Amino acid sequence: DAMVIQNPRYQVTQFGKPVTLSCSQTLNHNVMYWYQQKSSQAPKLLFHYYDKDFNNEADTPDNFQSRRPNTSFCFLDIRSPGLGDAAMYLCATSKTLDWGTDTQYFGPGTRLTVL
Amino acid sequence: DQQVKQNSPSLSVQEGRISILNCDYTNSMFDYFLWYKKYPAEGPTFLISISSIKDKNEDGRFTVFLNKSAKHLSLHIVPSQPGDSAVYFCAASARLSGSARQLTFGSGTQLTVLP
Repeated sequence: DAMVIQNPRYQVTQFGKPVTLSCSQTLNHNVMYWYQQKSSQAPKLLFHYYDKDFNNEADTPDNFQSRRPNTSFCFLDIRSPGLGDAAMYLCATSKTLDWGTDTQYFGPGTRLTVL
Repeated sequence: DQQVKQNSPSLSVQEGRISILNCDYTNSMFDYFLWYKKYPAEGPTFLISISSIKDKNEDGRFTVFLNKSAKHLSLHIVPSQPGDSAVYFCAASARLSGSARQLTFGSGTQLTVLP
């Protein structure tokens, strides 16, 4: 089935040790997003790609970077994870940039633990 | 500053009864509203949406009501079933510029439907 896949589902890293989370999609959607969701809070958009065009949210820390080598894959790189970066990271896709009206399809998320 | 608020973190309802989940927003630029449903270990999935030009949208057992003057929307599930037990996220969208849109999520309400 067409879907959004995130690997790994659970990631443990050490304070300050770089970590990369992976997302792939078989929907052939133009837009891919990364959200951060902390416990009992709303998902917060970090950035999105429309094709190869990268759009960073104004309040996304520099510690977070992203790469999209092709349509299917998108990576979230956390250069120096802090304890406050422990969260669920959700990847999503949509066909167009009309996010409000165009459905976003979410992956199952990667839960990041920082020791 | 939370622009989309779901003030009830949890709700329990008996099977067969109506579930009413509430959402309030502050940004008058929001013109499209969505509800997502999330099961444990899965990503959010789109449930139902409503444009600001409407006050009601119905899809099977799910109905969303929008009261623009009160900046309030609600999701009604009738009749509630145990399989509806999940976290429900309210989201609101505003057009920024060109084709870009902002999508803002609430913090979610955990619905438990008791058999």
